[in-house]
Amino acid sequence: DGGITQSPKYLFRKEGQNVTLSCEQNLNHDAMYWYRQDPGQGLRLIYYSQIVNDFQKGDIAEGYSVSREKKESFPLTVTSAQKNPTAFYLCASSRNSGSYNEQFFGPGTRLTVL
Amino acid sequence: DQQVKQNSPSLSVQEGRISILNCDYTNSMFDYFLWYKKYPAEGPTFLISISSIKDKNEDGRFTVFLNKSAKHLSLHIVPSQPGDSAVYFCAASARGTSYGKLTFGQGTILTVHP
Repeated sequence: DGGITQSPKYLFRKEGQNVTLSCEQNLNHDAMYWYRQDPGQGLRLIYYSQIVNDFQKGDIAEGYSVSREKKESFPLTVTSAQKNPTAFYLCASSRNSGSYNEQFFGPGTRLTVL
Repeated sequence: DQQVKQNSPSLSVQEGRISILNCDYTNSMFDYFLWYKKYPAEGPTFLISISSIKDKNEDGRFTVFLNKSAKHLSLHIVPSQPGDSAVYFCAASARGTSYGKLTFGQGTILTVHP
């Protein structure tokens, strides 16, 4: 079964702690993305990666970091510098990074900062 | 600057009737449009897309209409079913975007009553 997995589904963090969200895909997709969703808002792009060992900032990258050491994995670290980290985080992938490819999403991770 | 807008936060429809979800955009560079469906605490799932060279695309009960002059697209669901109750996001992509960035609207909550 091809798809995107994210773990954990729910994550709690104390203020001042860094936390890493996992994203794995077995779709053999080249491009991967991280979005954040807040209540009543659309999805906003945090980081994206077109190929292994390359990634670029999206619209709201401050306070986040990523790595892309393997094609199938794109973990996101929420650092203590992120001022308002409580949100629903979604990972996505697409066959390549061209504008005519739909993105497929994982089930999401809800992060709550206590 | 909200480049993709879904001005109706919610829509309520009777089972068997038509659901019409609307989306407006401001960026004339957008040339590919998508609709996603999202259940609570899950990732969005791709529904249907349309490129700017078309004005209509149909897939089963779902039809997307694009009016380029008005910068407006709509999703028609006929007939509506209770299982269609979800949040619907429209998204747009611009030509020349090297990484296939999607810009999302805020979403419309559709409720289909039995």
